[in-house]
Amino acid sequence: NAGVTQTPKFRILKIGQSMTLQCTQDMNHNYMYWYRQDPGMGLKLIYYSVGAGITDKGEVPNGYNVSRSTTEDFPLRLELAAPSQTSVYFCASSLLAGGRETQYFGPGTRLLVL
Amino acid sequence: AQSVTQPDIHITVSEGASLELRCNYSYGATPYLFWYVQSPGQGLQLLLKYFSGDTLVQGIKGFEAEFKRSQSSFNLRKPSVHWSDAAEYFCAVGAGDSSYKLIFGSGTRLLVRP
Repeated sequence: NAGVTQTPKFRILKIGQSMTLQCTQDMNHNYMYWYRQDPGMGLKLIYYSVGAGITDKGEVPNGYNVSRSTTEDFPLRLELAAPSQTSVYFCASSLLAGGRETQYFGPGTRLLVL
Repeated sequence: AQSVTQPDIHITVSEGASLELRCNYSYGATPYLFWYVQSPGQGLQLLLKYFSGDTLVQGIKGFEAEFKRSQSSFNLRKPSVHWSDAAEYFCAVGAGDSSYKLIFGSGTRLLVRP
């Protein structure tokens, strides 16, 4: 199993550009999550999904959108990139609800918005 | 509201010395507690978790953690640190129900002196 994979590993965006961060898991997990990690901070939840077709907001959803058309994929969309979105983005998945279950993390996508 | 505090931003220890990383949480009920490790350029990996039962939990790579309800703490320990343990360590608390929420501390960066 590859686990959780993310692409790209690194990206530079100009202000106002858009992009999609890809996330795929091959563990047949129902729950998937997107976090951002700012320097010196813990991870903050952006969006999560409890299954295909079902998504909901986390703590810091503004400026992002998600979709979940399949169990495996959970892309994160930035429509109008802003410098405040410069961060490292992690995708994670878990078999059961994340509050009581191990989450498996991808290697992250480092995003720089200039 | 749930919260996690890791009071030490950086800790430096000599190789072979013992290690203790502190974690304090705030949660009204019995929490689900996790320690994750993040090696440079990598995603997070679960070290250990506590749900119930024995308050001393063994994890991977020789780590252990002790849940102390009276002190609202879940400190991570290792008797003898290896150079490869240099990484960032995150404590997290989850609600013990179907909640998606996993709240992370801000992390402690461990440096290992040769």
